[in-house]
Amino acid sequence: DAGVIQSPRHEVTEMGQEVTLRCKPISGHDYLFWYRQTMMRGLELLIYFNNNVPIDDSGMPEDRFSAKMPNASFSTLKIQPSEPRDSAVYFCASSSIQTQYFGPGTRLTVL
Amino acid sequence: SQQGEEDPQALSIQEGENATMNCSYKTSINNLQWYRQNSGRGLVHLILIRSNEREKHSGRLRVTLDTSKKSSSLLITASRAADTASYFCATADSGNTPLVFGKGTRLSVIA
Repeated sequence: DAGVIQSPRHEVTEMGQEVTLRCKPISGHDYLFWYRQTMMRGLELLIYFNNNVPIDDSGMPEDRFSAKMPNASFSTLKIQPSEPRDSAVYFCASSSIQTQYFGPGTRLTVL
Repeated sequence: SQQGEEDPQALSIQEGENATMNCSYKTSINNLQWYRQNSGRGLVHLILIRSNEREKHSGRLRVTLDTSKKSSSLLITASRAADTASYFCATADSGNTPLVFGKGTRLSVIA
């Protein structure tokens, strides 16, 4: 298995632009998690899905953030409009039981 | 929600020495896990210890759990330069809830 795949690996955009991050979980995993990591706040859980259904999105910072999981093999995290304070590394992780497998992350820079 | 807090925040040792990192948490847990993150990479699962276990080994790793003190420790024996990374503890209060990560300990192993 290729592991969790995220794209793009790096994204540089200007304030106000829409950003879409993508994730392909490990096949057979029924949980998918989106995290954001910054030096100041550490690793924060944004939202997680179980069997493609969003279970808890209380970590999503505000309405500018949205996440979807249209099928078991694909999820997106969208930021619209983006702001400089959204600059961070965004990780996707998947699991079938308790152990989570992380993707390599997307480093987002909003200018 | 509970959150693991690692101690120390940073640790620098010589190659061959042992490294000990501690984690404290606030409420009852189902299990506690340790993850490693190399610079610029996603987190990698190291070991899971359940609430009814007191000690677990995996190669050069030894994890202890004291539920009465709500604390855990990760010991890396005979450290190597390749062990240089950040180490995170993560807790789950049941089998189906997401993990809550601490802010990590940055370990530097000097050759």
